[in-house]
Amino acid sequence: EIVLTQSPATLSLSPGESATLSCRASQGLMNYLAWYQQKPGQAPRLVIYAASTRAPGIPVRFSGSGSGTDFTLTIRSVEPEDFAVYYCKHHANGVLSFGGGTKVEIK
Amino acid sequence: QSTLKESGPAVVKPTQTLTLTCSFSGFSLTTSGVGVGWIRQPPGKAPEWLATIYWNDDERYSPSLRSRVTITKDTFKNQVVLTMTNMEPVDTATYYCARVLGLVGSIRLDSWGQGTPVTVSS
Repeated sequence: EIVLTQSPATLSLSPGESATLSCRASQGLMNYLAWYQQKPGQAPRLVIYAASTRAPGIPVRFSGSGSGTDFTLTIRSVEPEDFAVYYCKHHANGVLSFGGGTKVEIK
Repeated sequence: QSTLKESGPAVVKPTQTLTLTCSFSGFSLTTSGVGVGWIRQPPGKAPEWLATIYWNDDERYSPSLRSRVTITKDTFKNQVVLTMTNMEPVDTATYYCARVLGLVGSIRLDSWGQGTPVTVSS
């Protein structure tokens, strides 16, 4: 079973700063990784899939990169609406697994 | 626009079977590459994927819950049903259904329901 470890657990930023979120896998994933954003009381929302493809409607300040075991979600110049919890998710043979999440909070 | 909505009991007793229905619109489960999945999220924790059913009747399950979970679809009603047996207090969570798109490397959950909270308590 592949384990996804996200870091940091919490990222404290001021609006306008950049955010770098990490997702590390216990085994190589190719590019089978997605990122989701979740705000309190809401369902998760797809942000990035196939490691680097932005979902429809996602602003260009969000970008994903990485392959193998190390993946990164970058938010360039964080906006107030970006403060949320972000989860990475992997799939293999149709079996999905989520990381523990990174909370991006206002400093 | 794809929309999904979960329905089912808010409270179940330990050892009971949970049955949840996902009613969806804006897409069809007969379209190649489309599936509907169930995901749950205990309070304050990360989401946990449970199962997915695809347009071609392929079913995928979480290995850790395979013995307790069944997913079925009714293409004509645009519904997907999840059953989970032998419920325990640790199964208390918000249960979501979501549309699954993509094949091989691009599988993604691109539309989600609002979620339905389920509490397991006697």
